[in-house]
Amino acid sequence: NAGVTQTPKFRILKIGQSMTLQCTQDMNHNYMYWYRQDPGMGLKLIYYSVGAGITDKGEVPNGYNVSRSTTEDFPLRLELAAPSQTSVYFCASSPGVPGEQFFGPGTRLTVL
Amino acid sequence: DQQVKQNSPSLSVQEGRISILNCDYTNSMFDYFLWYKKYPAEGPTFLISISSIKDKNEDGRFTVFLNKSAKHLSLHIVPSQPGDSAVYFCAAQAFNDYKLSFGAGTTVTVRA
Repeated sequence: NAGVTQTPKFRILKIGQSMTLQCTQDMNHNYMYWYRQDPGMGLKLIYYSVGAGITDKGEVPNGYNVSRSTTEDFPLRLELAAPSQTSVYFCASSPGVPGEQFFGPGTRLTVL
Repeated sequence: DQQVKQNSPSLSVQEGRISILNCDYTNSMFDYFLWYKKYPAEGPTFLISISSIKDKNEDGRFTVFLNKSAKHLSLHIVPSQPGDSAVYFCAAQAFNDYKLSFGAGTTVTVRA
């Protein structure tokens, strides 16, 4: 099992550009999450999904969108990138609640 | 509003000695607590958890203690090893809630 995979590992965007961060899990988990981590801060939840077709906002959803068409994939879309979106983005999945979440290796995004 | 706080940003300990990491929370609805370990350029990995019905949970060198009345938990690592050098995040979850609330992390350095 690959677990949770994320692409790309690194990306530099110009202000106003858009991009999609990809996340795939092969553990058949229903729950998936997107977090961002800023320097010296904990992880903050952007969006989450409890199953295919169902998504909801987390703490910091502004400037992002998600979709969940399959159990495996949970892409995060950035529209009109801003410097404030410079961060490390982590995707995670979990089999249920409560319980541990399994994290991907992260995507480091810089917006200039 | 930071509901999970790790007030020590860093901790340096000699190899073989005990590492004690602390975490405080403010939300009385939290009833499941987790510790994650993170190496540079990797995603967080689950270390150990504890439910609010317990006050202690052990897994090898790692023990988590929970004091519900004080809204405080701690992670003990005995003995500390060089491979334990990492960032440790405390996280909390409320009953039937999908979301984890993370602390800002404590960077542990184990000196030889």
